[in-house]
Amino acid sequence: SAVISQKPSRDICQRGTSLTIQCQVDSQVTMMFWYRQQPGQSLTLIATANQGSEATYESGFVIDKFPISRPNLTFSTLTVSNMSPEDSSIYLCSVEEFTDYFASVHMNTEAFFGQGTRLTVV
Amino acid sequence: GIQVEQSPPDLILQEGANSTLRCNFSDSVNNLQWFHQNPWGQLINLFYIPSGTKQNGRLSATTVATERYSLLYISSSQTTDSGVYFCALRMDSSYKLIFGSGTRLLVRP
Repeated sequence: SAVISQKPSRDICQRGTSLTIQCQVDSQVTMMFWYRQQPGQSLTLIATANQGSEATYESGFVIDKFPISRPNLTFSTLTVSNMSPEDSSIYLCSVEEFTDYFASVHMNTEAFFGQGTRLTVV
Repeated sequence: GIQVEQSPPDLILQEGANSTLRCNFSDSVNNLQWFHQNPWGQLINLFYIPSGTKQNGRLSATTVATERYSLLYISSSQTTDSGVYFCALRMDSSYKLIFGSGTRLLVRP
């Protein structure tokens, strides 16, 4: 499986500032994903990072708040902008690896995650 | 959208005990995974199991796709098994991975 390196692993930030989280993969991948996990909650998909085009954001997440870059097939960044205490969460990047075909035509993939960035906003 | 329910929400075990975690889902899926999130927040892949049964050491998993549930078995639990267990699945023709709410497990020595 792909090795995913995410940094920083944790940070404490002042409200109103921004933090950029980096995700590096040791192999080329088509799609990279960014998730947020609020305290005590499950994971929620923020956006899909597409190489060569703008990221695709899920409902409730906007580019101005969570700008994403994907300069190549092994690297992506997520920025959390103008932070408030409500942004305190674990942020995780993820990649998908091909496993097998479903119904002969659809590709099944398995998700793997970086170690996460634990962000505290004070 | 698809609904994913995990039970129980919380579980406390004595070291050495066995347990079964359940994941129910409301629609047909082509991808189901089990993860363990350790106390440091890292998500560890346990099983990729859209159907059938798999075993890995003290852990095993079974997915009955036609009845829309999956089970994760933990035998002879150890304190290092503590953490949160998530099932996550993807519907047919969707790229999006949907996570259940998790089962928080505490194994006491």
